[in-house]
Amino acid sequence: SQQGEEDPQALSIQEGENATMNCSYKTSINNLQWYRQNSGRGLVHLILIRSNEREKHSGRLRVTLDTSKKSSSLLITASRAADTASYFCATDAGAAGNKLTFGGGTRVLVKP
Amino acid sequence: KAGVTQTPRYLIKTRGQQVTLSCSPISGHRSVSWYQQTPGQGLQFLFEYFSETQRNKGNFPGRFSGRQFSNSRSEMNVSTLELGDSALYLCASSQTLGGIAEAFFGQGTRLTVV
Repeated sequence: SQQGEEDPQALSIQEGENATMNCSYKTSINNLQWYRQNSGRGLVHLILIRSNEREKHSGRLRVTLDTSKKSSSLLITASRAADTASYFCATDAGAAGNKLTFGGGTRVLVKP
Repeated sequence: KAGVTQTPRYLIKTRGQQVTLSCSPISGHRSVSWYQQTPGQGLQFLFEYFSETQRNKGNFPGRFSGRQFSNSRSEMNVSTLELGDSALYLCASSQTLGGIAEAFFGQGTRLTVV
């Protein structure tokens, strides 16, 4: 079963615009990770935010985490055509071991 | 450092056959997890190995099994293949066990069962 729900399911923007996607989850987490996937290939790790962090930046990426609302958001600023991909959030509930539960993903299309 | 390597990249098998997929984690990483990705079910956790021991198991039938070797390389095996096993199988490696380490994924093995 999927813990996370991502919103929107699909997003179409022009190059240069910002893209924001949201992820909600159901249970307490240890950390939340965001991944990018191009055309059914492997997952590229973007950023990890721990449960005691509220915001994290990496280049053009900004991630927020609100544990009281059990939600996270990923903002991509000044988008490029190369950002066209599916984006997934994955939560780690902190049980023994590394087990990620993924959301359904947001498909982002950046038009040149 | 080399990334996570999965072999083969593509496989076509017939119903009823068995298949073995291989994953070499990032050097120094001892945790290897396997995931199945399908259009209908999304990304689902199969199992995880750490130091040659299975630590977690997802909700998959016993036809799905795995193992990890002393060099941390891992294999997963699917026996008596069904059409529904067609999927992208992804392997992830992590440096530590338990919730604080990033998981890095390989390019996946795309399995088609005909």
